[in-house]
Amino acid sequence: SQTIHQWPATLVQPVGSPLSLECTVEGTSNPNLYWYRQAAGRGLQLLFYSVGIGQISSEVPQNLSASRPQDRQFILSSKKLLLSDSGFYLCAWRDYRDGELFFGEGSRLTVL
Amino acid sequence: AQKVTQAQTEISVVEKEDVTLDCVYETRDTTYYLFWYKQPPSGELVFLIRRNSFDEQNEISGRYSWNFQKSTSSFNFTITASQVVDSAVYFCALSGLQNTPLVFGKGTRLSVIA
Repeated sequence: SQTIHQWPATLVQPVGSPLSLECTVEGTSNPNLYWYRQAAGRGLQLLFYSVGIGQISSEVPQNLSASRPQDRQFILSSKKLLLSDSGFYLCAWRDYRDGELFFGEGSRLTVL
Repeated sequence: AQKVTQAQTEISVVEKEDVTLDCVYETRDTTYYLFWYKQPPSGELVFLIRRNSFDEQNEISGRYSWNFQKSTSSFNFTITASQVVDSAVYFCALSGLQNTPLVFGKGTRLSVIA
């Protein structure tokens, strides 16, 4: 069966520090991968998605970036965090058959 | 552009009451998918249902039911005999074909009071 994991689960970082959130999927090949962000009390905002290795589509211009170095690995990064980057970050995958989106456990980031 | 509107920000009901969560969508696609997800206090999103735009039959799963009305672009979700464990944020979402990303509504926070 397929599983998705992301880490770390919780992160407290100072403004201006770098960020790296990792997500891996197991049990499937060539998944579509997504990063969403949920600000406190708000909906899910799509940040990035990837249909293959090295292929990244950005939905919202900001100081975050994403990379997909391997088929089942998706990384969200920032060189310098802003206060507004605080939120709940969710990684997700979907297969080519337009099925449902499967989410990871989420990473709660607080920027102080 | 695709858009999902969940006009109800918060709903509070007493246990055993029925409750309907509204979802209205906009899309230019003739074929698309609609979804509902549940987000309990733990934060993880739990998939509830996916519906193809060609299938307008209503669906029932235990206490949950979904009413898809293409004519009004709505995909409403009803919980019958609500329970405290139903307390969560519920999201409606929409996607086109070719693995286009899901677009989510802002969610409805449901509180079921014992």
